[in-house]
Amino acid sequence: NAGVTQTPKFQVLKTGQSMTLQCAQDMNHEYMSWYRQDPGMGLRLIHYSVGAGITDQGEVPNGYNVSRSTTEDFPLRLLSAAPSQTSVYFCASSYSPYGGELFFGEGSRLTVL
Amino acid sequence: KNEVEQSPQNLTAQEGEFITINCSYSVGISALHWLQQHPGGGIVSLFMLSSGKKKHGRLIATINIQEKHSSLHITASHPRDSAVYICAVRSPGGGADGLTFGKGTHLIIQP
Repeated sequence: NAGVTQTPKFQVLKTGQSMTLQCAQDMNHEYMSWYRQDPGMGLRLIHYSVGAGITDQGEVPNGYNVSRSTTEDFPLRLLSAAPSQTSVYFCASSYSPYGGELFFGEGSRLTVL
Repeated sequence: KNEVEQSPQNLTAQEGEFITINCSYSVGISALHWLQQHPGGGIVSLFMLSSGKKKHGRLIATINIQEKHSSLHITASHPRDSAVYICAVRSPGGGADGLTFGKGTHLIIQP
């Protein structure tokens, strides 16, 4: 059972480039989310989804785009990368949007030059 | 929005010591999570609790709903316990974005 799989683990971008962080889960979870983790701060919610075709903004959505065409996949797109988006990104899922155990991916470390 | 405070921020201890990490929150919750993150690694869920106490191996988590406080204890600590421990709380009725995370406690266990 793979759980939550994130790719890539590491990525370096130049300012203005775009890229997509991939997230997939094989647990049939309805809820999926993307967080960013920065030094000295708690995890902050970027976007989340409560099911296929349904997404919503979290605390820090600017500069990011998401879609949820299937239950399994929840990609995060950086439209035009900025140095402020240098961070570690985590995808997470749970069975229910309103509770339940959290499952996280291994993280994706992004550097924007 | 719930405010989550963890203490201490950093903790260095010797192998075998009993470890306590604390988490306080400002508003009533429906559940509290303890998470573990090893250096450069992913995040793993240790406990989810809404009342009382849970135990898994050498780890024990307790919660006091009235005092809005939870503790994570590690007995007979080992260098492999070195990690960042994160507390997260879910506010009742907070919706799908109702999780608030603490900043984490960085634990180092020296051999």
